[in-house]
Amino acid sequence: AQSVTQLGSHVSVSEGALVLLRCNYSSSVPPYLFWYVQYPNQGLQLLLKYTTGATLVKGINGFEAEFKKSETSFHLTKPSAHMSDAAEYFCAVSFGGATNKLIFGTGTLLAVQP
Amino acid sequence: DAGVIQSPRHEVTEMGQEVTLRCKPISGHDYLFWYRQTMMRGLELLIYFNNNVPIDDSGMPEDRFSAKMPNASFSTLKIQPSEPRDSAVYFCASSRQGGPNQPQHFGDGTRLSIL
Repeated sequence: AQSVTQLGSHVSVSEGALVLLRCNYSSSVPPYLFWYVQYPNQGLQLLLKYTTGATLVKGINGFEAEFKKSETSFHLTKPSAHMSDAAEYFCAVSFGGATNKLIFGTGTLLAVQP
Repeated sequence: DAGVIQSPRHEVTEMGQEVTLRCKPISGHDYLFWYRQTMMRGLELLIYFNNNVPIDDSGMPEDRFSAKMPNASFSTLKIQPSEPRDSAVYFCASSRQGGPNQPQHFGDGTRLSIL
């Protein structure tokens, strides 16, 4: 069965510091992996996705994530945090089969301190 | 392109009343999902449709909840009768056919408060 674990429900960084949000997955089939961001009072927006091919995936707003099969991880990083990055971030894995259903993690709330 | 459109954005009503949430998916998308988000339970999938047909409603909490998709451009989620514990943000999302690599596109949600 597919599942997603996000380590750390709250992460706080200083502006300009590295952002690292952790995601580990479990999947019985080759996974498709996604990171979404949710700003206050808005829906989730796709940051990036991994399907096949290159394991380092670049997304919007300077974020990237690396698929590591051996570690079953898909951590999200950004070299330098900006105040506007403060939001909640969700990792998701495809359910498998032909369906577009996703399994979401519990989310990580990122705070950026000035 | 227009995104997923949900209405109303906010709904406040009294316990026992019927509540109807509406969603217009992105044109050309074949999948439609309804989610509920609360602080305690996070993001929960309630039900999803493929080509207007309900595929999995195992997340619907109880019989008070029902969802329909009469055509490709419209879906409703109804709660009758509503209870205070139904207070949450309800999201609708849609995606294209084409397998599990297709991302879901979310609306801005309906913030529901049951008094």
